[in-house]
Amino acid sequence: DQQVKQNSPSLSVQEGRISILNCDYTNSMFDYFLWYKKYPAEGPTFLISISSIKDKNEDGRFTVFLNKSAKHLSLHIVPSQPGDSAVYFCAAISTDSWGKLQFGAGTQVVVTP
Amino acid sequence: DTEVTQTPKHLVMGMTNKKSLKCEQHMGHRAMYWYKQKAKKPPELMFVYSYEKLSINESVPSRFSPECPNSSLLNLHLHALQPEDSALYLCASSHPNRDREEEQFFGPGTRLTVL
Repeated sequence: DQQVKQNSPSLSVQEGRISILNCDYTNSMFDYFLWYKKYPAEGPTFLISISSIKDKNEDGRFTVFLNKSAKHLSLHIVPSQPGDSAVYFCAAISTDSWGKLQFGAGTQVVVTP
Repeated sequence: DTEVTQTPKHLVMGMTNKKSLKCEQHMGHRAMYWYKQKAKKPPELMFVYSYEKLSINESVPSRFSPECPNSSLLNLHLHALQPEDSALYLCASSHPNRDREEEQFFGPGTRLTVL
């Protein structure tokens, strides 16, 4: 049962524009959310996280928004750069399941010149 | 040092072989993890060690045997694997304290091929 869903398998965006990646979850016990970026043949790299007590967290070009009532979060990347081309995974941890990161299926982002 | 290292980078083994994957971190993290990732799929958790003790085993077959010799090292011993076990094996580490941020830091992975 997939508790974290990324319904867009791919996203193409022009360099300099905004990339918006979406993630939905079903488990209301999730209280911490993370975004990871992964290049081929490498491990995932942590990007940004957000606690369920917040609705926004910003770090440079990356902003994560959390809408708890809709069980939805999004990652905004602005401006998008060619080096941002990678697979982005949304992940979540629940209060009763420490250490067990639940990953979404990932979204392949391609930034075109 | 904010790095998780894994060796070897690539491993090819037969179904009767015994091999080990190694992972090391020097960030003072006391939680370490093994994940398995198949192509175009998200990482799947296999094992979690917290303070050198196995705290989570996600019903992994016994042909995979984890070991945590000390707080910096994590091994995964492999024996009698099947071709379907071919995957990228990822190691990760984090602070085990729920009062702290829970980012898991991943190594580059070992690409395992079972013939």
